[in-house]
Amino acid sequence: TQLLEQSPQFLSIQEGENLTVYCNSSSVFSSLQWYRQEPGEGPVLLVTVVTGGEVKKLKRLTFQFGDARKDSSLHITAAQPGDTGLYLCAGGPLKTSYDKVIFGPGTSLSVIP
Amino acid sequence: NAGVTQTPKFQVLKTGQSMTLQCAQDMNHEYMSWYRQDPGMGLRLIHYSVGAGITDQGEVPNGYNVSRSTTEDFPLRLLSAAPSQTSVYFCASSYKGGRNSPLHFGNGTRLTVT
Repeated sequence: TQLLEQSPQFLSIQEGENLTVYCNSSSVFSSLQWYRQEPGEGPVLLVTVVTGGEVKKLKRLTFQFGDARKDSSLHITAAQPGDTGLYLCAGGPLKTSYDKVIFGPGTSLSVIP
Repeated sequence: NAGVTQTPKFQVLKTGQSMTLQCAQDMNHEYMSWYRQDPGMGLRLIHYSVGAGITDQGEVPNGYNVSRSTTEDFPLRLLSAAPSQTSVYFCASSYKGGRNSPLHFGNGTRLTVT
């Protein structure tokens, strides 16, 4: 059983559509990070959300941290082919060592031109 | 800046063979870690280090050894490779470690054990 669950596992949409992907846990996290990974490369950090209820925007990407700090969402407006990739959420559960960062299984997004 | 450099990019081993995956960073980061990535499983933490001379176990440490003799290098050793260790391995570093520090990743080593 994974501490961080992500949904959906796969998502294929047309260019211009909107989408939301989710990251959920039964544990409380002090913060959550979102990464994007492209084929053959390592993940690259997009954003860190720290405060419960926090909303952060990065151009067409909107990230939200749940009030209870157990979940997060990533919303993409008007998706573009360049958004294609694997989206990973990550964090350190409060009940574990401060330096352990665990990852969810990821959402694989494909944006079709 | 090179960032995090992993070598080799690809490796094929026979069951029982040993090898070392190399990881080096030139950002003077205190924290370094190793993950393995398998389909549908995300990245799973193998070992991590908060500084030279200090290492600790992650979620899946069995079958792997690490050491941290310098700030720059964090090699991962497989003493007796098994097919279950077929995976893509990523090394990551951050300035101070901890939950709020962004991780910088290398481009991975794809390992196949036959």
